[in-house]
Amino acid sequence: EAGVTQFPSHSVIEKGQTVTLRCDPISGHDNLYWYRRVMGKEIKFLLHFVKESKQDESGMPNNRFLAERTGGTYSTLKVQPAELEDSGVYFCASSPRRGRSYEQYFGPGTRLTVT
Amino acid sequence: AQTVTQSQPEMSVQEAETVTLSCTYDTSENNYYLFWYKQPPSRQMILVIRQEAYKQQNATENRFSVNFQKAAKSFSLKISDSQLGDTAMYFCAFMKLPGVKIQGAQKLVFGQGTRLTINP
Repeated sequence: EAGVTQFPSHSVIEKGQTVTLRCDPISGHDNLYWYRRVMGKEIKFLLHFVKESKQDESGMPNNRFLAERTGGTYSTLKVQPAELEDSGVYFCASSPRRGRSYEQYFGPGTRLTVT
Repeated sequence: AQTVTQSQPEMSVQEAETVTLSCTYDTSENNYYLFWYKQPPSRQMILVIRQEAYKQQNATENRFSVNFQKAAKSFSLKISDSQLGDTAMYFCAFMKLPGVKIQGAQKLVFGQGTRLTINP
């Protein structure tokens, strides 16, 4: 079974540009989460999808961030326009809807550098 | 809101030694899970061990065990007979349990992490 995958692994963009991160969850996992770790600080929650619906987006920092999960499969997180403080590692995780729904499987992360 | 604190940014021990990583948390919830996640260098984060708050018995997974003190809101991780492959960032995390008012899976609240190095 393939794990959670994220693309790209690393992105370097200039301030003001747009970047789109992609996450492919484990097949069949209805729950999909985005987290972010900025400058060696704690990993912080951004938002949670159940299938294609946003269950909780309380962690989204501002309206420059837009997350989608069309069709309830993969998800994208777009940052437009990017600011310097957006630099960090963006993690995606998924979990099943039933059974061990508490066990989140993480992707390798996308390291975003805004210059 | 819940908070998780890991007061040890870095730790280093010799191979085969026992090491304990500290974690404290703050919550008004009574039902929750606590986790330790491990992220080896350049690799994905994986779940090491889980503790349900309603269980008094401390969780154990092979060389990994926890010391869960609910009243003190403390959740430390003990690694026995440490191995070179245990070198990683370790994150303590909290999750509210779904209940009557809160349905479905929940988000994780993480601590700042502890960088553990096992030396040969």
